[in-house]
Amino acid sequence: DTAVSQTPKYLVTQMGNDKSIKCEQNLGHDTMYWYKQDSKKFLKIMFSYNNKELIINETVPNRFSPKSPDKAHLNLHINSLELGDSAVYFCASSLTGTSITNTIYFGEGSWLTVV
Amino acid sequence: DQQVKQNSPSLSVQEGRISILNCDYTNSMFDYFLWYKKYPAEGPTFLISISSIKDKNEDGRFTVFLNKSAKHLSLHIVPSQPGDSAVYFCAASRGGGNKLTFGTGTQLKVEL
Repeated sequence: DTAVSQTPKYLVTQMGNDKSIKCEQNLGHDTMYWYKQDSKKFLKIMFSYNNKELIINETVPNRFSPKSPDKAHLNLHINSLELGDSAVYFCASSLTGTSITNTIYFGEGSWLTVV
Repeated sequence: DQQVKQNSPSLSVQEGRISILNCDYTNSMFDYFLWYKKYPAEGPTFLISISSIKDKNEDGRFTVFLNKSAKHLSLHIVPSQPGDSAVYFCAASRGGGNKLTFGTGTQLKVEL
């Protein structure tokens, strides 16, 4: 069983389209994330949700809208796709960190190519 | 502003020898450091971590060293095995939070 699963794994779409990437975790974690790895290999956090509430939003354009219907799911919707949105998007999850940083588990990534 | 830096994009080591991967950071507020390993077409997987109250943490073939005064950490793999060939990401966090700041990764190739 895949602990953090995201779909689709590969997505090629035209500029201006709207697309969604879905993510689900079966680890019983209460915190979920979206990370983006760009062409320069920088892996940067975009959003973090804890128990369906947004807790981290890292200056991401508002064309990106995360939605968490429950604590096991965090979907990423992107409006009006641009060429620069081409990247690998990783979903991840963990337990809430308090005095320590808990291990973050990543999905396999979704390769988005905007043409 | 890249707060976590891995200045070597690639490293090649012979099987059985030691692999040393380096990482530097600039934010003195970071107090927890992690190494993640990533194979092609897969997500990063957690390897080993260290708290800033320690200077060494060991787990089997993997040891992480932390030099706080130099803001430097390193991952030692000994002996290196072909299955260790992957991209290794250094990451840091502060205050027990789960926001990780990643380096750009080092591609390790272990040759027979």
